[in-house]
Formats: sequence, structure tokens, C-alpha cells
Amino acid sequence: NAGVTQTPKFRILKIGQSMTLQCTQDMNHNYMYWYRQDPGMGLKLIYYSVGAGITDKGEVPNGYNVSRSTTEDFPLRLELAAPSQTSVYFCASIHQEPSGRWTDTQYFGPGTRLTVL
Amino acid sequence: EDQVTQSPEALRLQEGESSSLNCSYTVSGLRGLFWYRQDPGKGPEFLFTLYSAGEEKEKERLKATLTKKESFLHITAPKPEDSATYLCAVQALHPSGGYQKVTFGTGTKLQVIP
Repeated sequence: NAGVTQTPKFRILKIGQSMTLQCTQDMNHNYMYWYRQDPGMGLKLIYYSVGAGITDKGEVPNGYNVSRSTTEDFPLRLELAAPSQTSVYFCASIHQEPSGRWTDTQYFGPGTRLTVL
Repeated sequence: EDQVTQSPEALRLQEGESSSLNCSYTVSGLRGLFWYRQDPGKGPEFLFTLYSAGEEKEKERLKATLTKKESFLHITAPKPEDSATYLCAVQALHPSGGYQKVTFGTGTKLQVIP
């Protein structure tokens, strides 16, 4: 298994540009997450998905959009990039059993370092 | 509002010097408490999930425990390769029922000196 992969690893955007951060997992996990991590701060949840076709907002969703057409892929879209979106973005996945218990391993991708100038 | 506070912010240990990291939390409807390790420039690496007070889990030199208000990550006889930032997170059902809220602490940066 490759686990969780993210592309690109680095990107510099100009204010107002758009881009899509890609995330793919090959573990058949139902839950997928997008977080951002700012220096010295904890991770903040942007969006999450409980399965294909189902997404919902997290703590800091403004300026972002997501889709989940397949179990494997969970892209994050930035429509009009702003300097406040400069951050490191992490995608993660985990599986939740019908009982509500999580499988004991959650995987994070390596991150995408985004700078908006 | 859910809160997760980790202490200390930074910890420097001699190799073999055991210690504990603290994660205190206030949350309604805890669904799970997670511990992660994060190396510089990399994504967090999952360590443990704890579900209820009294639960303990171990992995090599690490042992995580959970009470109703806090969790401890005990590091026994640490080695330099244990140097990393350790993150704690809680997952709870959002009051609106719309999503399972995840709240991370800011982490404890551990340095183990040979």
C-alpha cells in the first residue's frame, strides 16, 4: 500500500489564482480529512468526508471546496488564493467501523506547502 | 468550545531519562483521543487511539494513558530517534450534529540528547 499520497509537494500561487491539491488513499478508508497547519499552531480541520459523495465543513472551510467522487480521491480546491491561505496542507484517512470504533491506524499524507504571494 | 492543551511546549531529555507529556482536554461527547508523532517537514504519524478513561496503550518505549480530563504519553528510556513533535487530538460529535469535530493541540517538541 502507498498509504496517503498528496500532490504537489510545494506550490507558489499569486493572489487570486486557483489550484487543486490532490489526495489519494489506497486503503479503502471511508473517512478522509483535509487539515491546514500554520507555524506554531495546531492542525485545523478544513473539510472532511465520510464516504464517496458525502462531504462536510470542518472548522475553517472558507475559501475552500472539496469533492469526493470515489473512495480513493479527495481533492481540495482553492478558487481565489489569498495570503491567509499560506500554510501546509495535510490530507488524512481512517476507517470507522459501523460500531463507531476507529481502525487503530490513521494515515497522513506528506503535506503540500503552499505559499500565496 | 472544545480545547486541547499540551504541556510542556518543549522538552529536552538526556538519552535514557524517562518523562511524560501531558494533553489536557475539555470536550463534550469524546469519541476518541489520538496521539501522533510529527517529524520536521513530514505529516503526522499516528501512534495511538484511546476511547475511554482508564484505557492504556503501549508501543515500544511509548505508553499512552487516558483519564476523564487528560492523557499522558509516557516515554521510557528515550533514544535520540524519539526526538520529534508529539501531537494530541480529540474527536467529538459537533453540537450541531453536522460533523465529528477534531481539535488538535499545538504539540510538545521533544529533543533527546545522546
